[in-house]
Amino acid sequence: GQNIDQPTEMTATEGAIVQINCTYQTSGFNGLFWYQQHAGEAPTFLSYNVLDGLEEKGRFSSFLSRSKGYSYLLLKELQMKDSASYLCAVGTDSWGKLQFGAGTQVVVTP
Amino acid sequence: DADVTQTPRNRITKTGKRIMLECSQTKGHDRMYWYRQDPGLGLQLIYYSFDVKDINKGEISDGYSVSRQAQAKFSLSLESAIPNQTALYFCATSDSRLAGADNEQFFGPGTRLTVL
Repeated sequence: GQNIDQPTEMTATEGAIVQINCTYQTSGFNGLFWYQQHAGEAPTFLSYNVLDGLEEKGRFSSFLSRSKGYSYLLLKELQMKDSASYLCAVGTDSWGKLQFGAGTQVVVTP
Repeated sequence: DADVTQTPRNRITKTGKRIMLECSQTKGHDRMYWYRQDPGLGLQLIYYSFDVKDINKGEISDGYSVSRQAQAKFSLSLESAIPNQTALYFCATSDSRLAGADNEQFFGPGTRLTVL
């Protein structure tokens, strides 16, 4: 079966750093995506990893270890607008299908 | 204009009614997907289509059907709605010609469906 785990909720202070972990066990692996979703809105793409290591995009970085079935999303210099749900999604085949985790709700406090 | 649109955005209906949710895209993508989202459960794949002649069941297709009327249009139907189909429904698209990060899925704004 497919299993993707991430914490339900995390709280952090404006300006701080938060790391959202994602572990996965899937029948196939063709890349790992992170999406941001504000309440009631569509998910939007944040980052992608297919090889081991760190990908950096401004305040957001994502890390992947394929041997450990593990990824994290690092959010630096948190802003109030970063309060959202962050979805970890694994590409499970070459046909573009994604398996999503339940999402991590990040709450940024002043 | 939005690249992926969904209609209606909100719908309240009664048990047993037939409902159709529509999705249109101007991105020129060949792949289209329907998901439902329930609190605490993430996005679950209902159906997906890789071109007009290709329709595939996802994880939770029971009680749903789809139609790919054209490359740009993908409709989801609930033949006889039931209360546990109350959820947020998203359509998404992707381009099979692209790889890696460019093969991301683009989501529509969602349809909030309530079945009473």
